[in-house]
Order: sequence, then C-alpha cells, then structure tokens
Amino acid sequence: NAGVTQTPKFQVLKTGQSMTLQCAQDMNHEYMSWYRQDPGMGLRLIHYSVGAGITDQGEVPNGYNVSRSTTEDFPLRLLSAAPSQTSVYFCASSRTGGNNYGYTFGSGTRLTVV
Amino acid sequence: LAKTTQPISMDSYEGQEVNITCSHNNIATNDYITWYQQFPSQGPRFIIQGYKTKVTNEVASLFIPADRKSSTLSLPRVSLSDTAVYYCLVGRYSSASKIIFGSGTRLSIRP
Repeated sequence: NAGVTQTPKFQVLKTGQSMTLQCAQDMNHEYMSWYRQDPGMGLRLIHYSVGAGITDQGEVPNGYNVSRSTTEDFPLRLLSAAPSQTSVYFCASSRTGGNNYGYTFGSGTRLTVV
Repeated sequence: LAKTTQPISMDSYEGQEVNITCSHNNIATNDYITWYQQFPSQGPRFIIQGYKTKVTNEVASLFIPADRKSSTLSLPRVSLSDTAVYYCLVGRYSSASKIIFGSGTRLSIRP
C-alpha cells in the first residue's frame, strides 16, 4: 500500500517553462488536494477535488491548473513558471473532505524556478 | 470553515509540558477540532481530534471548554523530537468541502 505518491521529488524550472507535478493515491480516496508551502510558512491550498471530474479552487489557484479524470490521479500543472512559484508542493488525499483525521500527505515536491 | 487563530511560535525545554491554544470564536455546532503536526520536509500528520471536553491519546491531550470557542493542545514532557509546526483545524467532520491548514504554531524545544 503506497499511500500518496508524488513525482518528481525535486525539480528546477526556468521562468516561463511549464510542467506537471504528479500525484497518485491507491486508497480509493474521493478527496484530493494540492498545497504549497513557502519557507517558514504554513500550508496554502491551491486546488482540491471531491471526486473524479470535480475540481475547485483553493486559496492560491492563480498560475495552476488541475484535472481529475480518475479517482487515483490528481496532477497539478504549472502553466508558465515564475520565481514566485518556488516552493514545496504537497498533495493530500482523504476518504472525504472536511475536517477529519484521515488526511494522508505525499512526501512533497521541491520546486525551484530560476 | 471557522477561522482559527494560533500563536505564531512557542519555545520550551525538554521535559516540560507544552500547551498550545487555538481560538475559534465562530465554531459551528457540527464542527470538530483537529490538530495536525508537521516535521520539516514532511507533510502534516494527524495528532488528535475532539468535539467537547477532553480527549487523550498516547501522544497528546485536547482540552475544549464548554463554549467551544477555543481549544488547547497539551503535549506532556516534550522532547527535542516534538519540534514541529502544529496546526489547528475546525470544521465539519465529513463534507465535500476544502480544508484550510493556515499558518500553524512553530514549536521549538531546547535541551
């Protein structure tokens, strides 16, 4: 049981490049979400999904796109990378949304935009 | 989602009891209170959850007064390994809604 798998673990992009951060879970969780965490800061919600085919914006959605074609996968796309998007990105999943104790986080993707 | 307010940071020493208070004045009747812990370079992990009065597990205790407008996470006899960021979350237990972690409280334990 792998839990939540994020790839890649590290990435360096040039300004203006695009890329996709991958997130996959094998727990049949309906709820998935993406957070970013800047140095010394808390987690900020980018986008979330309550099931396949359903996505919605979080606190800081600008510059990012998501889609949820399957229950297992929730990729995060950076359309045109900017230095302000340098951060650690965490993907999380849970059986449902809301304030429950079942959130499983991936190990994170450390992204640097130069 | 109920707005929560926590101290930005706290310091303590090994062996001490640490109490972190979270304010949530607009908590709703159906809302639960949950605390998560995050170590550097890792995602958050669940510590404890409660609805009212007191909850205790092998890691921590959670104290919730009758009006539920605040809650206190208590860590007994902390060690250096308890250095982490602690997040207080308030909201309905199960719903098709997003969950906001906020800034959390950065706890530093010294020898």
